[in-house]
Amino acid sequence: DQQVKQNSPSLSVQEGRISILNCDYTNSMFDYFLWYKKYPAEGPTFLISISSIKDKNEDGRFTVFLNKSAKHLSLHIVPSQPGDSAVYFCAASAGGGSEKLVFGKGTKLTVNP
Amino acid sequence: DTAVSQTPKYLVTQMGNDKSIKCEQNLGHDTMYWYKQDSKKFLKIMFSYNNKELIINETVPNRFSPKSPDKAHLNLHINSLELGDSAVYFCASSHVTGDNSPLHFGNGTRLTVT
Repeated sequence: DQQVKQNSPSLSVQEGRISILNCDYTNSMFDYFLWYKKYPAEGPTFLISISSIKDKNEDGRFTVFLNKSAKHLSLHIVPSQPGDSAVYFCAASAGGGSEKLVFGKGTKLTVNP
Repeated sequence: DTAVSQTPKYLVTQMGNDKSIKCEQNLGHDTMYWYKQDSKKFLKIMFSYNNKELIINETVPNRFSPKSPDKAHLNLHINSLELGDSAVYFCASSHVTGDNSPLHFGNGTRLTVT
């Protein structure tokens, strides 16, 4: 039972354009959401997070949007850069902060020069 | 300086063997975790320890035994390895239990059981 779903296994965009990565969740108890970025042969690194009391959080080129009614969140990267090419994991937790994070399967983003 | 380091990076072994993966963090974090990324690419929590005490055990077979000699170390010992144990195992740490501090992951150990 996938509680966190990333339905697009891959995404390809041109450098300078916007990348939009999507994530859906089923557990209405989730109240904290994160995005992690992973390069090959490395561990995931934290990118940005959002609490359920907000609907948007921005950090430089990265913005996460949360739509609680749709149980949907998205990560926008603008402008996209070749160094952004990586696998992006969406994760969520319910009341425990970073404990018991539930991860999606990831979306591989390729930014073409 | 590597914040969360785990060894070995690669581990190839035969069914039935016992092996260990070591993890150390130098971030001063209180909580450490083991995650498993299986062939379907899902990252799933296995264990978490807070100050050397087990706080989460996600129905992992008891062939897997975490050991935390101090809060900076969380090792994973696996007995009687099976083919299905082949996966990438990630160690992670975070600042405070229940806080929204993000996890810091190691670079993973790719375990292959033949």
